[in-house]
Amino acid sequence: AQSVTQPDIHITVSEGASLELRCNYSYGATPYLFWYVQSPGQGLQLLLKYFSGDTLVQGIKGFEAEFKRSQSSFNLRKPSVHWSDAAEYFCAVGAGSGYSTLTFGKGTMLLVSP
Amino acid sequence: KAGVTQTPRYLIKTRGQQVTLSCSPISGHRSVSWYQQTPGQGLQFLFEYFSETQRNKGNFPGRFSGRQFSNSRSEMNVSTLELGDSALYLCASSSGQGVHEQFFGPGTRLTVL
Repeated sequence: AQSVTQPDIHITVSEGASLELRCNYSYGATPYLFWYVQSPGQGLQLLLKYFSGDTLVQGIKGFEAEFKRSQSSFNLRKPSVHWSDAAEYFCAVGAGSGYSTLTFGKGTMLLVSP
Repeated sequence: KAGVTQTPRYLIKTRGQQVTLSCSPISGHRSVSWYQQTPGQGLQFLFEYFSETQRNKGNFPGRFSGRQFSNSRSEMNVSTLELGDSALYLCASSSGQGVHEQFFGPGTRLTVL
């Protein structure tokens, strides 16, 4: 069965500093990987996805992620964090018929300090 | 395009009651998935409906059921509510074909007293 690990429950970053959120997955076939962001009381917004091809994918809001098959990782990065980036971030792997079953990590809460 | 809508947004029930949640997908989307989000268990997949048929199912008891209508709208039902069913229930829609991304609604916050 597939699984996703996000080792950091909380991360605090200063505004303007760079950010990297870690994600490791376990899946027996080609993974389809996603990063979502959730603001308090809101649903999930898709930041970016990896299906195939270029292992460095660009997303919305200046985020990017790099797929590394050898490390089973899909880390999310942003060069300069803004206060509005404070939210919870979820990594997910798609599986099941039609790859419609998303297995999520436990999430990383990002706090941005002034 | 309008996004995924879920009704109601908030719900309070008591133990033993049943509840029905509704989800309207993005126009043209044929797949609707349901997820439960709790502080302890995180985000867990409940089930997915595609063209009115349940295509995928998570590991939840039979008290959790769903259905999809011909217009792709979906409902989720929970019978004999337990305190542990208190959660944010999220619905996601997608085209359902090939490898695709899911778009989430704002969720329904269910509180069981």
